[in-house]
Amino acid sequence: NAGVTQTPKFQVLKTGQSMTLQCAQDMNHEYMSWYRQDPGMGLRLIHYSVGAGITDQGEVPNGYNVSRSTTEDFPLRLLSAAPSQTSVYFCASSFTGTGSGYTFGSGTRLTVV
Amino acid sequence: KNEVEQSPQNLTAQEGEFITINCSYSVGISALHWLQQHPGGGIVSLFMLSSGKKKHGRLIATINIQEKHSSLHITASHPRDSAVYICAVRPSTNKLIFGTGTLLAVQP
Repeated sequence: NAGVTQTPKFQVLKTGQSMTLQCAQDMNHEYMSWYRQDPGMGLRLIHYSVGAGITDQGEVPNGYNVSRSTTEDFPLRLLSAAPSQTSVYFCASSFTGTGSGYTFGSGTRLTVV
Repeated sequence: KNEVEQSPQNLTAQEGEFITINCSYSVGISALHWLQQHPGGGIVSLFMLSSGKKKHGRLIATINIQEKHSSLHITASHPRDSAVYICAVRPSTNKLIFGTGTLLAVQP
């Protein structure tokens, strides 16, 4: 089925460990983005990309890296995990036109201990 | 002050009731989105609005661009409608600005 695939669904990390959250879409969307969702707050933008080879920072980029080598994939890397990065992470994609809707992945629940 | 404010934050209704969730925003937008998130679940897009009104089944979404306000209505509510409803606005770029969500519980 077409959509946004996020893996893993759950992950527990120790402080200082690194990991990559995977996001892939098969809808040929130019725009891809990563958000984190924390209790009592709206989703906040971490990084985004408007096409292969182009990435930019969002509202809360510190501690995270991204790359966009293909249209389909947009992985999010945690360089050295911290307890403050405990959150639920969502990937979303869309076409870049203003009339385009968004498709969200199913989320990754990350706990850093 | 948040750029997107939703009200109420929490809402409990009895099955069959008519429900309204409100969203006010303070920035210029090209579109407004209503999203649904079931407990522990992913996020599903319900509506994208740039003007007027849209209807899908028992859900109706309206927007007043001049007043910077949108409402999501649920008619004949059902326990399966229990979820968090999120309003998000899109300024001129692709970036979305999210409200904090409305937690709806529909009791049988």
